[in-house]
Amino acid sequence: DSGVTQTPKHLITATGQRVTLRCSPRSGDLSVYWYQQSLDQGLQFLIQYYNGEERAKGNILERFSAQQFPDLHSELNLSSLELGDSALYFCASSGLVTDTQYFGPGTRLTVL
Amino acid sequence: AQSVTQPDIHITVSEGASLELRCNYSYGATPYLFWYVQSPGQGLQLLLKYFSGDTLVQGIKGFEAEFKRSQSSFNLRKPSVHWSDAAEYFCAVGAGRGSTLGRLYFGRGTQLTVWP
Repeated sequence: DSGVTQTPKHLITATGQRVTLRCSPRSGDLSVYWYQQSLDQGLQFLIQYYNGEERAKGNILERFSAQQFPDLHSELNLSSLELGDSALYFCASSGLVTDTQYFGPGTRLTVL
Repeated sequence: AQSVTQPDIHITVSEGASLELRCNYSYGATPYLFWYVQSPGQGLQLLLKYFSGDTLVQGIKGFEAEFKRSQSSFNLRKPSVHWSDAAEYFCAVGAGRGSTLGRLYFGRGTQLTVWP
């Protein structure tokens, strides 16, 4: 158990819909990262937050957005969903001392 | 541009045999290197990491990896594989430490099958 939690574990929805994925980092970790894992693209970095502020952006679509709240949990919002958005979405967190990203169990999103 | 290449998509070994998974990276600055393992339906678990110092690093579950700057490689090894090692293995490169720890670039992974 990495200490990073993600909810829900599975999500099935229809095209055009909007969903929210939630991540709680390890206690004390200030950084949260979001990654997408798909068969086509492999593991792709989406976005990073550090202590509530956006720090880095990767291959994140404009239909996707994220935020990190004062209690440091993070949410990834996916809207106008397409079939190609079906993937495993991972959240990771890191702290000042660990120099390591610890990954949550992921949310598997299926868009029908 | 930063990138990680894992040349072997799938490797099959017999239980008790030795294992080496290859990883090559391209990174302009000093790389920080990681190996993660993903079991079916699970998240990514850190096996080991290299930041600096001794180029041979030890990890969990009996794994080790060797950093070779001249070859831009960070290969993962295990002297004797167990059936429970069957999983997908990912090599990753990143930069920064502590509060500046940034994104990771991942290879496409190597799927390991272990024959009994």
